[in-house]
Amino acid sequence: EVQLVESGGGLVQPGRSLRLSCAVSGFTFDDYAMYWVRQAPGKGLEWVSSISWNSGNIIYADSVRGRFTISRDNALYLQMNSLRPEDTALYYCAKGRSSGWNYFEHWGQGTLVTVSS
Amino acid sequence: EIVLTQSPGTLSLSPGERATLSCRASQSVGSFYLAWYQQKPGQAPRLLIYAASNRATGIPDRFSGSGSGTDFTLTISRLEPEDFAVYYCQQFGSSPFTFGPGTKVDIK
Repeated sequence: EVQLVESGGGLVQPGRSLRLSCAVSGFTFDDYAMYWVRQAPGKGLEWVSSISWNSGNIIYADSVRGRFTISRDNALYLQMNSLRPEDTALYYCAKGRSSGWNYFEHWGQGTLVTVSS
Repeated sequence: EIVLTQSPGTLSLSPGERATLSCRASQSVGSFYLAWYQQKPGQAPRLLIYAASNRATGIPDRFSGSGSGTDFTLTISRLEPEDFAVYYCQQFGSSPFTFGPGTKVDIK
């Protein structure tokens, strides 16, 4: 069974950093592209970043480019720097259907990031 | 950026009724790159439909997807109590990947 478990969320002051992790099991991690998606309280889904199976292809939403860094090494990570109040959201990791860009086949339960002074 | 517009914003229906949800793209999207997700309160999204018309594993056949180009539709043939939720369309054909704002299907 595919499992994705996010961690690392919490309350952080504006301008500070946070690193999210997504532990995976039930599939061969190195074979699949992975994704981060966020959802602000009471709002819709917003794609944040994608990383291909071998980290050779990485893309970001304009809203986080230059501040967030996605990476993978037996788990999926999202390094978030220069955090802003508008980054407050539930952050989900998701597993793609294949090694390249594809739909989001499995989702974790999310980790909540709150940016506030 | 491809903007996805979903209509209606809210659909109020009774169990047993048919639900028709629309997703319109600002530019043409290849059918392969269009997916639908369901999200219930307090839960993560769940993949319903991929490649515009293919049901994901375990999805009942009352859910169906159709469309091409800029116009896509999710149909629920007969609403069951567990189907009342928010539905999002998504495209991943070009970056940035985008989601529609969602359609909430609630109980009339």
